[in-house]
Amino acid sequence: AQTVTQSQPEMSVQEAETVTLSCTYDTSESNYYLFWYKQPPSRQMILVIRQEAYKQQNATENRFSVNFQKAAKSFSLKISDSQLGDTAMYFCAFRGNDMRFGAGTRLTVKP
Amino acid sequence: DTGVSQNPRHKITKRGQNVTFRCDPISEHNRLYWYRQTLGQGPEFLTYFQNEAQLEKSRLLSDRFSAERPKGSFSTLEIQRTEQGDSAMYLCASSFLGLRITSDTQYFGPGTRLTVL
Repeated sequence: AQTVTQSQPEMSVQEAETVTLSCTYDTSESNYYLFWYKQPPSRQMILVIRQEAYKQQNATENRFSVNFQKAAKSFSLKISDSQLGDTAMYFCAFRGNDMRFGAGTRLTVKP
Repeated sequence: DTGVSQNPRHKITKRGQNVTFRCDPISEHNRLYWYRQTLGQGPEFLTYFQNEAQLEKSRLLSDRFSAERPKGSFSTLEIQRTEQGDSAMYLCASSFLGLRITSDTQYFGPGTRLTVL
C-alpha cells in the first residue's frame, strides 16, 4: 500500500521569506502523479501544484515549486516570497492505483 | 461553472439516524470521489465513481455507508445508523480522466460537516 508522510506537523515563516515543506512517499508503481493541495482555515481544498512522475523537470507555478526526487521518493514544496494568504494546511497527495494524502503541514505566515 | 458543490454544508444528527449528502461535480467531469476528513488529518479515501459506475470502495468503509451516482452526474452518500465516530468532514472531489488527460487532478468541494450527537 502507498503511504504518504509529511514529517512537519507545523511550520512558520516570515512574510516574504521562503519555506520548504517536506513529503515522502512509498510505492512500487512507476507511473503516478503527485500533488500539493492547500486548505485555508474553514475553506475548501485547492490544488497548488502537480507533478507527473515520468517528467524529470520540476513543476513550477508562480511562487510555488517542487523538488521531485523520484529515486528518493521525495516531493517537497517550496513557497517563495511567502504571503499572509499562504497560511493554510498543506497536504501532499499521491495518485497511482489509489489516492492517498499525507497528514498535512500547518503553515503560518507571520507578518 | 462554479466548481464542485456539496449540500448540506453542515448536518447535526442524533446517533442512530440516517443522513444523506449530495455532491454536484464540475460539469463534464467523469470521475467523482468521496473522502472523509477528521480534524487535523488528511482526507481519507472512501469511494469513487467513473461515470455511474462505482469502481472502488475503501476496505475501511463500513457497510453502513453507501454511495450512488445514478446518472453519472451528481452523487449521494448515505450513512445509516450513524455513530459518534462518523462525525467528520465529508469531502467530494471531481476530475476528468480521458485519453489525453491522464493526471486525474481532483477539484474539491467545500465539504459537509457532520456532527453526530
